[in-house]
Amino acid sequence: DAGVTQSPTHLIKTRGQQVTLRCSPKSGHDTVSWYQQALGQGPQFIFQYYEEEERQRGNFPDRFSGHQFPNYSSELNVNALLLGDSALYLCASSPETTGSNEQFFGPGTRLTVL
Amino acid sequence: GEDVEQSLFLSVREGDSSVINCTYTDSSSTYLYWYKQEPGAGLQLLTYIFSNMDMKQDQRLTVLLNKKDKHLSLRIADTQTGDSAIYFCAESSIKAAGNKLTFGGGTRVLVKP
Repeated sequence: DAGVTQSPTHLIKTRGQQVTLRCSPKSGHDTVSWYQQALGQGPQFIFQYYEEEERQRGNFPDRFSGHQFPNYSSELNVNALLLGDSALYLCASSPETTGSNEQFFGPGTRLTVL
Repeated sequence: GEDVEQSLFLSVREGDSSVINCTYTDSSSTYLYWYKQEPGAGLQLLTYIFSNMDMKQDQRLTVLLNKKDKHLSLRIADTQTGDSAIYFCAESSIKAAGNKLTFGGGTRVLVKP
């Protein structure tokens, strides 16, 4: 059973560009959350998708947007990249029906903005 | 609002016990978690505890929760060099609008042989 997968592994962009990161959830999971982890810090919640809708959002600007597809996979889009967007972007999946809200994380996409 | 705090660093000798501490502010926290992150990797869920429990044991791991003081700890018995990593505590409160995790800044654990 494959766990959470993310692509690409690493990405280098320049300021002002746009980027799309992808995530496939663990089998049987229908909820996908995205987190940003800056170097030396804990992950910060960006948003969560369920039933193809964004249902919760953290304190991130509108430059950060996402999408969830019918097969539960998800994309994170960041427009007008800033140097401060350089971070590890983590995707986590969970089944909606669980009571414990266990979220399982992928290996992350390391984004470097030059 | 939600805030989670952890000490930055812990050094421990191989074979000793490690205790990592965490405090949180959200009194509506429903679940509290411990995650492990090794260099260049994602987060691995180690264990979690429901807010109406005081203690949970899982092999070498013991979680203690003091809900009154909003204090969570993770004890690792017989610490091994493979336990060297960054440990994050996190909390979530189940809301109709979603169940995001709020993380602390992480505690770097160094196990010395």
